[in-house]
Amino acid sequence: DVKVTQSSRYLVKRTGEKVFLECVQDMDHENMFWYRQDPGLGLRLIYFSYDVKMKEKGDIPEGYSVSREKKERFSLILESASTNQTSMYLCASSLPTGGTDTQYFGPGTRLTVL
Amino acid sequence: GIQVEQSPPDLILQEGANSTLRCNFSDSVNNLQWFHQNPWGQLINLFYIPSGTKQNGRLSATTVATERYSLLYISSSQTTDSGVYFCAVERRYNFNKFYFGSGTKLNVKP
Repeated sequence: DVKVTQSSRYLVKRTGEKVFLECVQDMDHENMFWYRQDPGLGLRLIYFSYDVKMKEKGDIPEGYSVSREKKERFSLILESASTNQTSMYLCASSLPTGGTDTQYFGPGTRLTVL
Repeated sequence: GIQVEQSPPDLILQEGANSTLRCNFSDSVNNLQWFHQNPWGQLINLFYIPSGTKQNGRLSATTVATERYSLLYISSSQTTDSGVYFCAVERRYNFNKFYFGSGTKLNVKP
C-alpha cells in the first residue's frame, strides 16, 4: 500500500512565522503535490514537483515556496505566515502521469495562523 | 484553467437509498478521478474514469467525455458512505495539474 505521511495533523502558528510542512511518500513516486482545501472551494493546487529539485507552480503559489531535495520528500514553506493561509493542507503523490494512475493523499495538516 | 462543477453540493440520504452525483467539466480531459474524503479528512481514490463505465461493489461511475460530464452512482447507501465526494480532472495536454470540483457533501442517516 502507498503511504503518504505529513509531519503534523494540527499546527498553530503566529502571523509572520516561517512555517514548514513536510510530506513523505514511500512508493518511489516521481510526482508530488501540495494542495490547500477551503470550504466551498474544493482542493486547489499550490505547487507540484515531477522530479527531485524540479517544481512547477499550481494555481495559487503566492506566499508559498517548495523544496524537493530527495525523491520521497516534498516540503511546503510559508515564508511569512498570514491569517489567510489558515487552511487544510494536503500532500499527494503519483507516478508520472500518463493518465492511468491515481493520486495518493496524506492525512492532511490543519494549519491555523493567529 | 478548467471549470469543474459538482452537484448537488449537499445530500442527505436514509440508509439503503440510492443516489447520483454529477460532475461537469468545461474542457477536454486526459484523466478524471472520483475521490471520497472521509469525516477525518483522508482522501481515497474511488475511480479513474476518463471515459466509459466502471463498477466497484455498490459504487459505479460513468463518464461521457464528449458531453463533458461524469456521474457517480451510490446504491444501497451505508452510513460509512458519508463524507465529501470530489471529482478531479486533468486537462488534456496539461499534464500533472488536477482541478477539483468543490465537492458533494453526503450524509447517510441510519
